[in-house]
Amino acid sequence: DSGVTQTPKHLITATGQRVTLRCSPRSGDLSVYWYQQSLDQGLQFLIQYYNGEERAKGNILERFSAQQFPDLHSELNLSSLELGDSALYFCASSFRDLNTGELFFGEGSRLTVL
Amino acid sequence: QQPVQSPQAVILREGEDAVINCSSSKALYSVHWYRQKHGEAPVFLMILLKGGEQKGHDKISASFNEKKQQSSLYLTASQLSYSGTYFCGTGYNNNDMRFGAGTRLTVKP
Repeated sequence: DSGVTQTPKHLITATGQRVTLRCSPRSGDLSVYWYQQSLDQGLQFLIQYYNGEERAKGNILERFSAQQFPDLHSELNLSSLELGDSALYFCASSFRDLNTGELFFGEGSRLTVL
Repeated sequence: QQPVQSPQAVILREGEDAVINCSSSKALYSVHWYRQKHGEAPVFLMILLKGGEQKGHDKISASFNEKKQQSSLYLTASQLSYSGTYFCGTGYNNNDMRFGAGTRLTVKP
């Protein structure tokens, strides 16, 4: 158990819909990262937050948005869903910076868009 | 910015060795290595920082050549439990971590 909690674990929805994925980082971790992993593919970096502020942005679509709240949990919002958005979405957390600490991954939220 | 990993896949027999390479076109602060079993979350193996450090974890070790912007993961005397997909993650600053496409390692009895 990494200490990172993601909900829901599984989600099935239809094209055009909107979903919200939630992540609670490990206790004490200030940074939250979101990654998308399509079937048997690599980990695509989406976005990173540190203590409530956006710090880095990757290949995140305009239909997707995220935020980190004062209690440090984070939410990833996916809207106008398309079939290609079906993937495993991982949240990871780290204490501060990546030069000294590792990423702890949650178990992921598997999104299926029909 | 995404690092390049090679090979894409490796099949070994128990007890054999393997090397997985990771290279970047940009200067790196750090390199992370993770292993992901099918259907599970990636798990941290080790981190390498600037300075050419070589770290080890049981029979798995890694090196980091910052001048060449390359890292290699060495798996010696492989065990069945080593099977999985290995990802290198490269830190270009303190903030984001980009992963390579992964190397799928299969260890057979």
